[in-house]
Amino acid sequence: DIQMTQSPSSMSASLGDTVTITCLASQDIGNYLSWYQQKPGKSPKLMIYGATNLEDGVPSRFSGSRSGSDYSLTINSLGYDDEGIYHCHQYYEYPYTFGAGTKLELK
Amino acid sequence: EVQLVESGGGLVQPGRSLKLSCLASGFTFSNYGMNWIRQAPGKGLEWVASISSSSSYIYYADTVKGRFTISRDNAKNTLYLQMTSLRSEDTALYYCARDSSYVMDAWGQGASVTVSS
Repeated sequence: DIQMTQSPSSMSASLGDTVTITCLASQDIGNYLSWYQQKPGKSPKLMIYGATNLEDGVPSRFSGSRSGSDYSLTINSLGYDDEGIYHCHQYYEYPYTFGAGTKLELK
Repeated sequence: EVQLVESGGGLVQPGRSLKLSCLASGFTFSNYGMNWIRQAPGKGLEWVASISSSSSYIYYADTVKGRFTISRDNAKNTLYLQMTSLRSEDTALYYCARDSSYVMDAWGQGASVTVSS
């Protein structure tokens, strides 16, 4: 199975900061990676797909990138609405797998 | 508006069965593959099963293979997850999600399943 190693597990940042969350794939997954935002008591919301493509309606402050097997989600100009848990997900092959999640809090 | 509404969750004893449903609306259900994903309390997301639009292709996580069955009724716009031989480790919030070119782009609000005696 493909392992997705996500880091950090949690982080705290200030309003207006830029933060980056990373997922390392244990084998090649091409660009078959998506990022989800999950707020407390809510279902995950698709933010990025195909490693770098912004889902419709998602603010352009969010961006995704790839460097080899490292995938990153970057959030610019952090706002309070960005708090939540972020999950990476590989859909290159079954079994689909997710990262363990990153809890983002604002100071 | 795309909507996915899960139902059928509840409290069940170990070893018993439960069937979840996911009613879809706002899109042509028969054109999309569908998925079940679960989230144990305080834990991350775990993919459970996937089914193609015409039910031709079905995949399961090893943790549920042989115990869970995913199915769909395109005439009723409904996805199902039949769960048997339930274990305490199956306790989770179960989400259904639409598959759009392999991307899970829409999720329901989840159905809670608690396996306990």
